[in-house]
Amino acid sequence: GESVGLHLPTLSVQEGDNSIINCAYSNSASDYFIWYKQESGKGPQFIIDIRSNMDKRQGQRVTVLLNKTVKHLSLQIAATQPGDSAVYFCAESFTSGTYKYIFGTGTRLKVLA
Amino acid sequence: KAGVTQTPRYLIKTRGQQVTLSCSPISGHRSVSWYQQTPGQGLQFLFEYFSETQRNKGNFPGRFSGRQFSNSRSEMNVSTLELGDSALYLCASSLGWGQGMGTEAFFGQGTRLTVV
Repeated sequence: GESVGLHLPTLSVQEGDNSIINCAYSNSASDYFIWYKQESGKGPQFIIDIRSNMDKRQGQRVTVLLNKTVKHLSLQIAATQPGDSAVYFCAESFTSGTYKYIFGTGTRLKVLA
Repeated sequence: KAGVTQTPRYLIKTRGQQVTLSCSPISGHRSVSWYQQTPGQGLQFLFEYFSETQRNKGNFPGRFSGRQFSNSRSEMNVSTLELGDSALYLCASSLGWGQGMGTEAFFGQGTRLTVV
């Protein structure tokens, strides 16, 4: 069953195109940021993380950009595939001894064939 | 390597009842966090445990409680259930800080609680 919000912002992209999902975080003191992907009926799946001493980090087909000046985080997915369809959440935290994450509201990514 | 296991997957309870949810972390992980996910409020932090100690607590009423056992397994309990407690309850497992091996948390599939 559906486990996430019904009225999330939605990004629709054509299969094969690049996707960019944006997130504004709330606390300027946060020093650790994570992107999660959640498919229907499943728990969030870790995608990529970045610490505040970095501006960019790349993974397999994914890149996270961090702009601390404007408290903005983005996730870029290259060559988007149907399996990328999901809800994407950003989360912020502190690395100083806690796993308390503050999650964003999420963005639904729809990949069009 | 087995992932995070949450039981049961689905649960239906009546208002006023209490419920206990279970989480078995990834082998070797000592930190467990709990989150509530609802369509209206999104993912909200409940509490986190490390070595049987509650390290942090979210902004939830005292009806929500938890504990962690010596084998790192964790349970959360909700007493006097309300309709608004209907949600997906997610458990996340982590190595624990001080390990120096990354800070990412891995989530289980959750327990879907419906209060009627």
